[in-house]
Amino acid sequence: NAGVMQNPRHLVRRRGQEARLRCSPMKGHSHVYWYRQLPEEGLKFMVYLQKENIIDESGMPKERFSAEFPKEGPSILRIQQVVRGDSAAYFCASSPLREPTDTQYFGPGTRLTVL
Amino acid sequence: GIQVEQSPPDLILQEGANSTLQCNFSDSVNNLQWFHQNPWGQLINLFYIPSGTKQNGRLSATTVATERYSLLYISSSQTTDSGVYFCAVMGGYQKVTFGTGTKLQVIP
Repeated sequence: NAGVMQNPRHLVRRRGQEARLRCSPMKGHSHVYWYRQLPEEGLKFMVYLQKENIIDESGMPKERFSAEFPKEGPSILRIQQVVRGDSAAYFCASSPLREPTDTQYFGPGTRLTVL
Repeated sequence: GIQVEQSPPDLILQEGANSTLQCNFSDSVNNLQWFHQNPWGQLINLFYIPSGTKQNGRLSATTVATERYSLLYISSSQTTDSGVYFCAVMGGYQKVTFGTGTKLQVIP
């Protein structure tokens, strides 16, 4: 059973460009979570999605950031008009959510660098 | 929201030494995990331990949920143990809060 997959692993963008980060959950998991880790800090929750639904986006910046988890295909975290402060590692996690407290399994992360 | 504090923030060990990392949280939790983030940034799940004690090789962890703390023990440390150790708690429904981390450096 493959783990959570994220791609690309490293992404370089210039200020003003768009960044698209992809996350494929573990097989059988229908719940996806995105976290952001700024340099020298811990991970901070951004958004929780089920297929075709955003459940909790309380950690998402109000502008330029969006997330989706379509019926088919990976979850996408999209950052429009990137700025230097968006440089961070973005981690995705997935869960089967058979129980409300099910463990979340984390992917390897995408490291975004904004020049 | 839940506050998660880890101590110490930084730790330098001689190879072979033992250490204890602490995680304190401000409210009752449904789940608690310990992670190791290696120097390449990869996040490795060490323990899922909402309560009780678990051991895995040179590592063990204990969570006392009623006292709102968890401890991670590293024995006979090795240079490959270097990195940042995070405690992460799940309070509300699937809402995970990470601690501030303990940065460990093991020197030969």
